[in-house]
Amino acid sequence: DAGVIQSPRHEVTEMGQEVTLRCKPISGHNSLFWYRQTMMRGLELLIYFNNNVPIDDSGMPEDRFSAKMPNASFSTLKIQPSEPRDSAVYFCASRQGTGGWSPLHFGNGTRLTVT
Amino acid sequence: GDSVTQMEGPVTLSEEAFLTINCTYTATGYPSLFWYVQYPGEGLQLLLKATKADDKGSNKGFEATYRKETTSFHLEKGSVQVSDSAVYFCALSDGTGGYNKLIFGAGTRLAVHP
Repeated sequence: DAGVIQSPRHEVTEMGQEVTLRCKPISGHNSLFWYRQTMMRGLELLIYFNNNVPIDDSGMPEDRFSAKMPNASFSTLKIQPSEPRDSAVYFCASRQGTGGWSPLHFGNGTRLTVT
Repeated sequence: GDSVTQMEGPVTLSEEAFLTINCTYTATGYPSLFWYVQYPGEGLQLLLKATKADDKGSNKGFEATYRKETTSFHLEKGSVQVSDSAVYFCALSDGTGGYNKLIFGAGTRLAVHP
């Protein structure tokens, strides 16, 4: 049973470049979440989707960040242009349904370094 | 808004010691409560959960009881092992607007020494 798959695992890029992070949720899960983890801020919810529709993007830090979910099996988080302060581990998570009792399943994350 | 507060780490223990990691929450409704664990280089994994008051979640020797009167969900284990070294996150589900997103605490790092 494949879990949530994220790619790449590591990304190193220069300031100003575009970065695209990818996520494949667990088959059958219809809610998808993007989180960012840093030492200073901990885990921050950036955006979440239900049935491929963005429900809450209030955590997206700036217009430089955008997320899409073109179908039930794929999502992307894009940063353009990237800045050093975007360096963090980005996690994707999926869940079946919207009930509060249903746990999230996390991918192993993408470690982004912007120099 | 809803929030979760965890005790600050790191928590350093010897093997076979008793573990408590405190977690309290603020919520307007009746959230579900969770503990997640994160091992180095990995994503978060669900450790245990409780969905209503007085429920006890348990897994791998860890336990936590949903205490509505004290708005707490403290994590306990009777005898820790070196392999329990990880970061532990308390979380609640926020049902605002009918969609339940998870709100996490800051995490507590546990280091267990032989």
